[in-house]
Formats: sequence, structure tokens, C-alpha cells
Amino acid sequence: GQQLNQNPQSMFIQEGEDVSMNCTSSSIFNTWLWYKQDPGEGPVLLIALYKAGELTSNGRLTAQFGITRKDSFLNISASIPSDVGIYFCAGQNTGTASKLTFGTGTRLQVTL
Amino acid sequence: DSGVTQTPKHLITATGQRVTLRCSPRSGDLSVYWYQQSLDQGLQFLIQYYNGEERAKGNILERFSAQQFPDLHSELNLSSLELGDSALYFCASSVTGVLSPLHFGNGTRLTVT
Repeated sequence: GQQLNQNPQSMFIQEGEDVSMNCTSSSIFNTWLWYKQDPGEGPVLLIALYKAGELTSNGRLTAQFGITRKDSFLNISASIPSDVGIYFCAGQNTGTASKLTFGTGTRLQVTL
Repeated sequence: DSGVTQTPKHLITATGQRVTLRCSPRSGDLSVYWYQQSLDQGLQFLIQYYNGEERAKGNILERFSAQQFPDLHSELNLSSLELGDSALYFCASSVTGVLSPLHFGNGTRLTVT
């Protein structure tokens, strides 16, 4: 099935550093969402974006809905050890079928 | 806690067998989605139900089927199981099914031996 491309695939960073990741698609979406998945658990919604160009924050997390509607970005400031996990972007469209199309994931590891 | 409940948490079975995975959506959510996640892979959409009716279908195998009951809980049936069906199966729910964020359960880990 279709998947969105996320970059980077994985990253090691030091505690306190800022993190940036992005997600790109060949098709447009009306909604972009960012999820975090911890081992053995389901994805947890972090941020939802509903409008092209929108910039939304949730604590240390900031996400942007790209102007072209084909991409989105997630930034994490001042990373802490509990930020470790896999971050997935997901695109969603209007209509009766509102399934999410997920990105390939960015695995984040934080070192002290 | 997302409010989405999946049972069982773990399931180990043999090839050729049939299993049923169960999902209870969040209170008030009418739409239920099933996703498959293989080892170190992303989440692949299988099927969506809205208020008891099938609404969208992804790359769901013919050996797999699902339904949503009047009380809105859903079941995913996997039959003639193969080794490659081993994966995490997630259920998610949303309010209206249209531009509503999905909230995921903690999944059922299926191991086919």
C-alpha cells in the first residue's frame, strides 16, 4: 500500500538537542497528523494539522502543515530521554473513507 | 489510555488456523479501523467500518474479514493463517470518520508458528 516517505529513518541525538524530521507525499492531504509509538504499544496522537501552512505546538513539539499540502514537519526542542520512540506522520483526506496513510517512521534515540 | 480496547493482547497459533481479534472503540466513536504492522514496518491499512457498515478497504487479504456489530465493537477474523501473517494488529477509532483523528488501541500481537 501507499506510504509516505519520512526522513531521517533514524537518528541518535544527545539529550537537550533539538530534533527535526519531515514527511513527504506524492499526493495532497487535507489533514496531517503526527503519532509517537513506544515499543509494544499503539501509536499515540501528538499533533493534528488541518490547514495548509498551519503551525501548531504541543509543549516541546511543533509541527507544520506544508503549503503544498504534500509535506509536513515535526520539531522537538530540548529532547529528553522519554522522547525515544518511533515517530510516524500520517495523511488523511475528507470523504466517507477517512483512513490514515502512514509514513515509514523516524526512530529517535536519545543519549544522555 | 486511548480508550480503545483490544483483546487478546497476545495470540500464538499454528499455520492453517483461524483467529478472531476484538476491538472496542472509544465511547462515542462510530468509526473503527484495522491496521497491520509487521516487524519494524509502518502501519498498513486493512479496513474501516462506520456505524456498522464497511466504509473503506485497504490491502486486506481475502483470508481476512471484519465486521462491526450494533454495539460498535469490531472483530477481525484471520483464517488459513500463514507464517507471514505474524504481526501486530491495531484497531483505531474516531468520532465521525471524516477528518477526525484516529485513536489507537495497544494492539494484538499475533504469532503464527
